[in-house]
Amino acid sequence: AQSVAQPEDQVNVAEGNPLTVKCTYSVSGNPYLFWYVQYPNRGLQFLLKYITGDNLVKGSYGFEAEFNKSQTSFHLKKPSALVSDSALYFCAVRDIAQAGTALIFGKGTTLSVSS
Amino acid sequence: KAGVTQTPRYLIKTRGQQVTLSCSPISGHRSVSWYQQTPGQGLQFLFEYFSETQRNKGNFPGRFSGRQFSNSRSEMNVSTLELGDSALYLCASSFEQGENEKLFFGSGTQLSVL
Repeated sequence: AQSVAQPEDQVNVAEGNPLTVKCTYSVSGNPYLFWYVQYPNRGLQFLLKYITGDNLVKGSYGFEAEFNKSQTSFHLKKPSALVSDSALYFCAVRDIAQAGTALIFGKGTTLSVSS
Repeated sequence: KAGVTQTPRYLIKTRGQQVTLSCSPISGHRSVSWYQQTPGQGLQFLFEYFSETQRNKGNFPGRFSGRQFSNSRSEMNVSTLELGDSALYLCASSFEQGENEKLFFGSGTQLSVL
């Protein structure tokens, strides 16, 4: 069965410091991986995706993610955190058992950036 | 371009009632999917429509249904509401149905079942 795990419910970081939000996955075959962010009382916004190619994927708002096949991980990173980055972050994998765009989401990680 | 629009923003219903939620996708987007978000279960896929046809369905009971109209607008219906149906229901649209398509989400409809 396919699954996504976000091992940390919450990540706290000081503004200006680098941040990492962790994600591991379990899929059969090649994974299609995504990161989305949710701000309070809002829907999700797409940050980046990995389909194939370079293991380092760059996305919106200065975020990037590193795909590691041997560790089955897809961690989200940013070199310098901003207070405005505080939000709920979701890692997701395409559900290949379904046609179309269906995603399997992790439980989410709350990122809190302090000033 | 206007984003994905969901109405209403909030709903309060009682057990046993039924409810219909509406979603207008981004202009030109043909795929609309629905997700349920709860604190306990997180985000779970409900179903996806493409060109008025349901293409995929998640693991939800038959009380949950939907449809898509010729203008790509979609509605989701939940019959015989249960307390556990209280959730944020998110609609997402994409241009195509490709496996690497990114989704554009609306702000959701917060449903409370009393």
